[in-house]
Amino acid sequence: EAQVTQNPRYLITVTGKKLTVTCSQNMNHEYMSWYRQDPGLGLRQIYYSMNVEVTDKGDVPEGYKVSRKEKRNFPLILESPSPNQTSLYFCASSLTVNEKLFFGSGTQLSVL
Amino acid sequence: KNEVEQSPQNLTAQEGEFITINCSYSVGISALHWLQQHPGGGIVSLFMLSSGKKKHGRLIATINIQEKHSSLHITASHPRDSAVYICAVSFPFGNEKLTFGTGTRLTIIP
Repeated sequence: EAQVTQNPRYLITVTGKKLTVTCSQNMNHEYMSWYRQDPGLGLRQIYYSMNVEVTDKGDVPEGYKVSRKEKRNFPLILESPSPNQTSLYFCASSLTVNEKLFFGSGTQLSVL
Repeated sequence: KNEVEQSPQNLTAQEGEFITINCSYSVGISALHWLQQHPGGGIVSLFMLSSGKKKHGRLIATINIQEKHSSLHITASHPRDSAVYICAVSFPFGNEKLTFGTGTRLTIIP
């Protein structure tokens, strides 16, 4: 089954404790991206990747890191999380940015 | 700044009504996506458009490139259509970013 697998589904952590949210797709997609969703602000793009070893900033990259060492995986790293990073996060993939998007099920992150 | 605006923000209708949700953008685009997010959070892609019109079941999406406007229509609306509908656009000139509208919350009353 074609899917984007995102883990964990829920995460509660404390300020400053490094964490990683994983994202994996099984469709051989070149484009992968991360978004955060906040009430009243909608979805905003954090980082995206056009292919292996090719990443670029979205609209809200501060405080986040990504890597794309393999085509199928695109982890989101918060090296020193802060409370303003409490949000609902989504990973997505597609053949290109101008093709149908496939979303992961989301990660609800709370930073205390 | 490249902007995307959706209207209305909230829409409540009776079952069976014809629904229209609008999305306008400020500059030329490469493609426009319509997404659906049900309560509980999962996001599903409904359409990707770069021109013309697409139809899937009771859903129809149109785009007018000259007027920088897209519409999502739902015919014979049903309570299961209750969701947030989001448009997102990609802009040309080598930019692979997506910019999102803030969404339209649709509630269909039985």
